[in-house]
Amino acid sequence: AQSVTQLGSHVSVSEGALVLLRCNYSSSVPPYLFWYVQYPNQGLQLLLKYTTGATLVKGINGFEAEFKKSETSFHLTKPSAHMSDAAEYFCAVSDSDFGNEKLTFGTGTRLTIIP
Amino acid sequence: DARVTQTPRHKVTEMGQEVTMRCQPILGHNTVFWYRQTMMQGLELLAYFRNRAPLDDSGMPKDRFSAEMPDATLATLKIQPSEPRDSAVYFCASGRDLNTEAFFGQGTRLTVV
Repeated sequence: AQSVTQLGSHVSVSEGALVLLRCNYSSSVPPYLFWYVQYPNQGLQLLLKYTTGATLVKGINGFEAEFKKSETSFHLTKPSAHMSDAAEYFCAVSDSDFGNEKLTFGTGTRLTIIP
Repeated sequence: DARVTQTPRHKVTEMGQEVTMRCQPILGHNTVFWYRQTMMQGLELLAYFRNRAPLDDSGMPKDRFSAEMPDATLATLKIQPSEPRDSAVYFCASGRDLNTEAFFGQGTRLTVV
């Protein structure tokens, strides 16, 4: 069984400051890892994903995440926050086994940007 | 612009009524997921189809919920009878084989009064 823990249900950062959203996972097989963003009254949009290969993954809107197997982490970062980054962010994991593509989501982190 | 289409966007119904939510996956996608989002439980997987066959519906209350894919362009989630605790946003997502990302629709906001 797989699971995801997102530390911090709410994070506030000043505009221009570093954004760091934490995600730890548990998986019995090599995981596939995802970050999704949800704007108010919208569906979820993929920010980035890790499947295999390079452990530092770059996504849209200047976000990136690093897969650290030894720490079972997949934290999301952005060097400089923008007002438009205010949203809810979800980390998700799926098994890399064929035929088990379902995503298990964390509880989400609401990011607030302070002007 | 390919996207997952969900209808209706909003539904208010009385307790005991039947509710049907529809989803049109992206053309060519062969996996379909139904998720439910609430403040208390977050995002929960209700059902998962691959090539129209249900692979996992363990997250779905079997006594009142049912999910089907009559054809490759339509997935349905039905609740009968509906209860106030079913109030949530229901998301459909579709994807391809082998763990590529799931593309989400905009959701159906269900309110059962």
